[in-house]
Amino acid sequence: ETGVTQTPRHLVMGMTNKKSLKCEQHLGHNAMYWYKQSAKKPLELMFVYNFKEQTENNSVPSRFSPECPNSSHLFLHLHTLQPEDSALYLCASSQDLGSGVTETQYFGPGTRLLVL
Amino acid sequence: LAKTTQPISMDSYEGQEVNITCSHNNIATNDYITWYQQFPSQGPRFIIQGYKTKVTNEVASLFIPADRKSSTLSLPRVSLSDTAVYYCLVGEYGGFKTIFGAGTRLFVKA
Repeated sequence: ETGVTQTPRHLVMGMTNKKSLKCEQHLGHNAMYWYKQSAKKPLELMFVYNFKEQTENNSVPSRFSPECPNSSHLFLHLHTLQPEDSALYLCASSQDLGSGVTETQYFGPGTRLLVL
Repeated sequence: LAKTTQPISMDSYEGQEVNITCSHNNIATNDYITWYQQFPSQGPRFIIQGYKTKVTNEVASLFIPADRKSSTLSLPRVSLSDTAVYYCLVGEYGGFKTIFGAGTRLFVKA
């Protein structure tokens, strides 16, 4: 238990569906992240939020839309996805950004997404 | 950002010490070295972080030579439950923009 929860843990959706992934952290952290991990590929950083403000969008297609209403919650809204978007989507949090030390990130268990 | 290179996979037996070496020739002055562990279908978990020389915690040790162009994660007396992928990351100063490489898949046998 890392203090970062994600729901749902598994999701199957069609290419025309709209769904949302939710992440919540109970660590009092200020920074939150979305990563994508495809089969046999390294983790890819997608988005970073710090104090609810987006600080990084790693050239992610617009069919992925993040939302960070407060420092404890992070959403990833999905629409018109492609089969190649099937992956494990991981949320992480860290105390802060720019503290002078590479921030330790605490990861959630991930959402296994399958796009049909 | 500094690129890291690690062996793709390693095998070991229970009770042995495992050393995983990571190369990071382009490490910058302000970069820290961080290791994560990931089990299947779970998020990575922080193991250890260091800047130079040696760092030890209850899980592992991290050895970093003076030139900092490589680092070695040492896992003492591994067990079957240490079977996982181990990632070496080199982090930007004050940074979050760490890049996960392919990692090293460690398989511990009985």
